[in-house]
Amino acid sequence: DQQVKQNSPSLSVQEGRISILNCDYTNSMFDYFLWYKKYPAEGPTFLISISSIKDKNEDGRFTVFLNKSAKHLSLHIVPSQPGDSAVYFCAARATGTASKLTFGTGTRLQVTL
Amino acid sequence: DTAVSQTPKYLVTQMGNDKSIKCEQNLGHDTMYWYKQDSKKFLKIMFSYNNKELIINETVPNRFSPKSPDKAHLNLHINSLELGDSAVYFCASGLGGTTDTQYFGPGTRLTVL
Repeated sequence: DQQVKQNSPSLSVQEGRISILNCDYTNSMFDYFLWYKKYPAEGPTFLISISSIKDKNEDGRFTVFLNKSAKHLSLHIVPSQPGDSAVYFCAARATGTASKLTFGTGTRLQVTL
Repeated sequence: DTAVSQTPKYLVTQMGNDKSIKCEQNLGHDTMYWYKQDSKKFLKIMFSYNNKELIINETVPNRFSPKSPDKAHLNLHINSLELGDSAVYFCASGLGGTTDTQYFGPGTRLTVL
């Protein structure tokens, strides 16, 4: 039972354009969401997070949007750069589950010149 | 000055063997984790320790036994290795709590022949 889903396994975007990565979840107890970025042969690195009390969080070129009613979140990267090429994982935490994260299967982003 | 380190990076072994993966963090975090990323790239939590105490124990075969000698170390012992144990294992650490950001090690690729 996959509670966090990233339905697009890959995405290709031109340098300078916007990248939009999507994530859907099914568990209504999730109240904290994170995005991680992963390069080959490295561990995931934290990118940005959002609490369920907010609908938007911005950090430089990265913005995460949360639509609780649709159980959907998205990561926007503007402008996209070649160094952004990586696999992006969406993760979620449910209330009362200590610090357990549930991850999606990732979306591979390729930023082309 | 690596924050979360794992050894070895690659581990190739025969079925039935017993092996260990070591993890150390120098971030001063109280909580450490083990995750497994299987062939479908699904990253799933296995265990979590807080100050040397087990706080998360997912449905993992009891052939897997975490050991935390101190809060900076969390090692993973695997007995009687099976083909299905082949995966990438990630260690992570964090402060714990509901808005915890977890910091991941580079991963250990385990191949069971």
